[in-house]
Amino acid sequence: DAGITQSPRYKITETGRQVTLMCHQTWSHSYMFWYRQDLGHGLRLIYYSAAADITDKGEVPDGYVVSRSKTENFPLTLESATRSQTSVYFCASRDRADEQYFGPGTRLTVT
Amino acid sequence: GQNIDQPTEMTATEGAIVQINCTYQTSGFNGLFWYQQHAGEAPTFLSYNVLDGLEEKGRFSSFLSRSKGYSYLLLKELQMKDSASYLCADNTGRRALTFGSGTRLQVQP
Repeated sequence: DAGITQSPRYKITETGRQVTLMCHQTWSHSYMFWYRQDLGHGLRLIYYSAAADITDKGEVPDGYVVSRSKTENFPLTLESATRSQTSVYFCASRDRADEQYFGPGTRLTVT
Repeated sequence: GQNIDQPTEMTATEGAIVQINCTYQTSGFNGLFWYQQHAGEAPTFLSYNVLDGLEEKGRFSSFLSRSKGYSYLLLKELQMKDSASYLCADNTGRRALTFGSGTRLQVQP
């Protein structure tokens, strides 16, 4: 299906575990982004990527790792999950007109 | 960094008009987005203003004043389904968006 998808949609994990959130887009957009959304903070940028093999930190990158080996995929890894990383994570991609399209989100709970 | 301010909550009546304001820092400004987000869902695009003035799209309009660092989203003929959060975001030089905390709008009968 065309669009931007995320998996899993829901995840519960324990403190200290490694977790990878997947993001896939079918538009071949160059730019992709990861945001987290928490009450009172709105959407905050974690990492972004301008193209395959080009990534850069956003506002809140600590504790996260990203990679972009293919244009269509942009996985986000929590190397050692902490309770403060409990959040809703949105992946997005950007078209030439600067509009960002968001995936459905992953609700992550770290216990 | 960029600071974007918008009211936390607003309440309005079905059929009425509501204006949601947003202020932002003008340095490095490229344009201003408005997104709608229903509870438990992803944000969806409403409008993007680059130039000063009002842009109308059906019941929704968005206004921008670049010199004042000010924008608003105007919703007319409110419907119950308009109950949602409305996110103001500016387009920074990194091609990412910087979001405000969002305005939760509740439409009452």
